[in-house]
Amino acid sequence: NAGVTQTPKFRVLKTGQSMTLLCAQDMNHEYMYWYRQDPGMGLRLIHYSVGEGTTAKGEVPDGYNVSRLKKQNFLLGLESAAPSQTSVYFCASKNGKEQETQYFGPGTRLLVL
Amino acid sequence: GQNIDQPTEMTATEGAIVQINCTYQTSGFNGLFWYQQHAGEAPTFLSYNVLDGLEEKGRFSSFLSRSKGYSYLLLKELQMKDSASYLCAVMDSNYQLIWGAGTKLIIKP
Repeated sequence: NAGVTQTPKFRVLKTGQSMTLLCAQDMNHEYMYWYRQDPGMGLRLIHYSVGEGTTAKGEVPDGYNVSRLKKQNFLLGLESAAPSQTSVYFCASKNGKEQETQYFGPGTRLLVL
Repeated sequence: GQNIDQPTEMTATEGAIVQINCTYQTSGFNGLFWYQQHAGEAPTFLSYNVLDGLEEKGRFSSFLSRSKGYSYLLLKELQMKDSASYLCAVMDSNYQLIWGAGTKLIIKP
């Protein structure tokens, strides 16, 4: 099992450009999450999904959109990138039980110039 | 508001014991997690506490006091590979994880 994978691993964007980050999991997990991690701060939840076809806003959703068309994939989109979105983005997943552990992907480093 | 506090950085010696503290104030409580994160890598699960007391898992132990809003992670027989950040996270009433900023642990020979 590959677990949770993320593509790309690293990307540089110019302000105003758009991109999509892909997260895939092969553990048949129901719940998937997108976080950002910035220096000196805890992981912050951007959006999450509790199942195929569902999405919900987290703590910092502005400037991002998500889609969960297939159970194994969770896409994070930036329509018009801003320097404030420079960060490391982590995807995580867990199975349907509420208090289960989240498993993380290796992260995507995004630099917006 | 919701708040998780843990020290920014700690230093310890190889072979010694170190205790990393975490205090929290959250809307509801459904358990506390500790994760380890090596530089440039993903967080990985270490422990989960939902009841008061000590949970031991090899060289790592985690303690919880719900009445005090307090937890600690105890690492024994420190090894160089334990150099990492340790993240404390509380699951709130909505089953969402609220994360501390992490404690960077530096191990010296």
